[in-house]
Amino acid sequence: NAGVMQNPRHLVRRRGQEARLRCSPMKGHSHVYWYRQLPEEGLKFMVYLQKENIIDESGMPKERFSAEFPKEGPSILRIQQVVRGDSAAYFCASSPQATSSETQYFGPGTRLLVL
Amino acid sequence: GNSVTQMEGPVTLSEEAFLTINCTYTATGYPSLFWYVQYPGEGLQLLLKATKADDKGSNKGFEATYRKETTSFHLEKGSVQVSDSAVYFCALSDQGQGGKLIFGQGTELSVKP
Repeated sequence: NAGVMQNPRHLVRRRGQEARLRCSPMKGHSHVYWYRQLPEEGLKFMVYLQKENIIDESGMPKERFSAEFPKEGPSILRIQQVVRGDSAAYFCASSPQATSSETQYFGPGTRLLVL
Repeated sequence: GNSVTQMEGPVTLSEEAFLTINCTYTATGYPSLFWYVQYPGEGLQLLLKATKADDKGSNKGFEATYRKETTSFHLEKGSVQVSDSAVYFCALSDQGQGGKLIFGQGTELSVKP
């Protein structure tokens, strides 16, 4: 059973460009979470999605950031008009259920560098 | 709101030394508690977890006990190895919708031979 897959692993963008980060959850998992790790900091929750639905986006910046998890295909985190402060590692996690005791399984992350 | 506080790093130990990384939390209700480990350039791996008070999670020689009375979940290992060098994150699951994780700031451990 393949683990959580993320691509690309590294992404370089210039200020003002768009960044698209992809996440394929583990087989059988329908719950996806995105977290951001800024340099020298812990992980911060961004958004939680189920298939075709955003359930909790309380950690998402109000502008430029969006997420989706379509019926078919990977979950996408989209950052429009990137700025240098968006440089971070973005991690996706998945779980088979969305209960507080359920383990979330993390992907290897996408490291975004904005020049 | 809910939060997690970890002891600051970096922590440097000699091989075979005893390890303790302190973690305390603030939460309403009864969260589950987790320790994740991150090796350089990689994602997070679950190390252990506990889902109710007095539960002890254990894995690969690491242990942590869910102490509700002291709101703590300290990570311990009796004899560390060089291969244990990594960043360790304590986390709690929010009992709100979806069980999102709230992380501490992480503690970097460096084990010298």
